[in-house]
Amino acid sequence: DIQMTQSPSSLSAGVGDRVTISCRASQTISKFLNWYQQKPGRAPKVLISAASSLQSGVPSRFSGSGSGTDFTLTITSLQPEDFATYYCQQSYSTPLTFGGGTRVEIK
Amino acid sequence: QVTLKESGPVLVKPTETLTVTCTVSGFSFNNPKMGVAWIRQPPGKALEWLAHIFSSDEKSYNTSLKSRLTISKDTSKSQVVLIMTNMHPVDTATYYCARISLFTVTIFNAFDVWGQGTLVTVSS
Repeated sequence: DIQMTQSPSSLSAGVGDRVTISCRASQTISKFLNWYQQKPGRAPKVLISAASSLQSGVPSRFSGSGSGTDFTLTITSLQPEDFATYYCQQSYSTPLTFGGGTRVEIK
Repeated sequence: QVTLKESGPVLVKPTETLTVTCTVSGFSFNNPKMGVAWIRQPPGKALEWLAHIFSSDEKSYNTSLKSRLTISKDTSKSQVVLIMTNMHPVDTATYYCARISLFTVTIFNAFDVWGQGTLVTVSS
């Protein structure tokens, strides 16, 4: 199974800050890395697919990069509605696997 | 509009079998590139993919749970059913279904539409 490791597991940031979340795969997954945002009590929502493809309706302050084994989610100018938990997930091969999540909290 | 909705018991006892149903609308089960996945999340913990099924009836299972899981579909009812046997308290979680599609035969796109989830508690 492909293991997905996210870092950090949590972070504190202020409104307007730039935030970077990392995700590493235990083996190459090409570009097939997806990012989800989850708010308390809600289902996850896909933000970015295939490493860098922004989903329709997702603000442009979210961006993704990377390929192979190392990937990054960047939020430029963090907004109040961005405080949530973020998950990466590889869709390169089954079994499909998620990272452990990164909780973004208000500083 | 694509929607998915989970249904099932709120409480199951240890050793019992869980059956959860996902009812979908807004997309065709006959589309060979479309499928439905089950994903769970224990309280305060990360997401875990359990299984998925495509219109071709191709199925795939979580490695560590494979012996306990069965996924099936009823195209006429637009439903996907997940059965998990021998439930334990550690299986307490919110169970989500989500739409998945094929990028290629062996590579997948993201889970693009999710149900609201159903919380299942395992307790005697």
